[in-house]
Amino acid sequence: SQKIEQNSEALNIQEGKTATLTCNYTNYSPAYLQWYRQDPGRGPVFLLLIRENEKEKRKERLKVTFDTTLKQSLFHITASQPADSATYLCALDDAQAGKSTFGDGTTLTVKP
Amino acid sequence: DTEVTQTPKHLVMGMTNKKSLKCEQHMGHRAMYWYKQKAKKPPELMFVYSYEKLSINESVPSRFSPECPNSSLLNLHLHALQPEDSALYLCASSQVRQGGKLFFGSGTQLSVL
Repeated sequence: SQKIEQNSEALNIQEGKTATLTCNYTNYSPAYLQWYRQDPGRGPVFLLLIRENEKEKRKERLKVTFDTTLKQSLFHITASQPADSATYLCALDDAQAGKSTFGDGTTLTVKP
Repeated sequence: DTEVTQTPKHLVMGMTNKKSLKCEQHMGHRAMYWYKQKAKKPPELMFVYSYEKLSINESVPSRFSPECPNSSLLNLHLHALQPEDSALYLCASSQVRQGGKLFFGSGTQLSVL
């Protein structure tokens, strides 16, 4: 069966450090993978999209990698700040079904 | 305008009530979605409209009835809900159905008593 796993439910790090979040999947062949940020009581906000033929994508302090052999994406936030504290969701495109499916999310807490 | 607007923000209803959730976008997107999200869980897809036609229904109970009156509007009609239907209901849109990048509204927090 298809499965999307994000490394841990919660991740706590110190301000200034790099946060690394993991998204692993099985039985998908996604054309692209996305990362979203969600704050409590709000809808997810799109951050980055990476296609299957791309290895890495960057946007300001954010970096995403995509390894279709390992079936894994890594999401990095460098120089983390308390304002980065939120839940981060990965989403995989299921081209056959014509929809995206979300992982369970990782709640990041950045301590000052 | 890059917003998806949902109303109401909060809704409390009894199991015999009929209510509607509304969603609006003016980005020219041709795909619109309803998601349901329980606390500490990811959003779960309910319905997808593509070019105002229902293209995906994820086996949602008939007490939830979607409607897409035009390309900018999406409604979710609720009738005879159960307490377990209490959740955050999110509307989203994208340029086309298979194009990534979903724009979400802030959601309607629904409580069924």
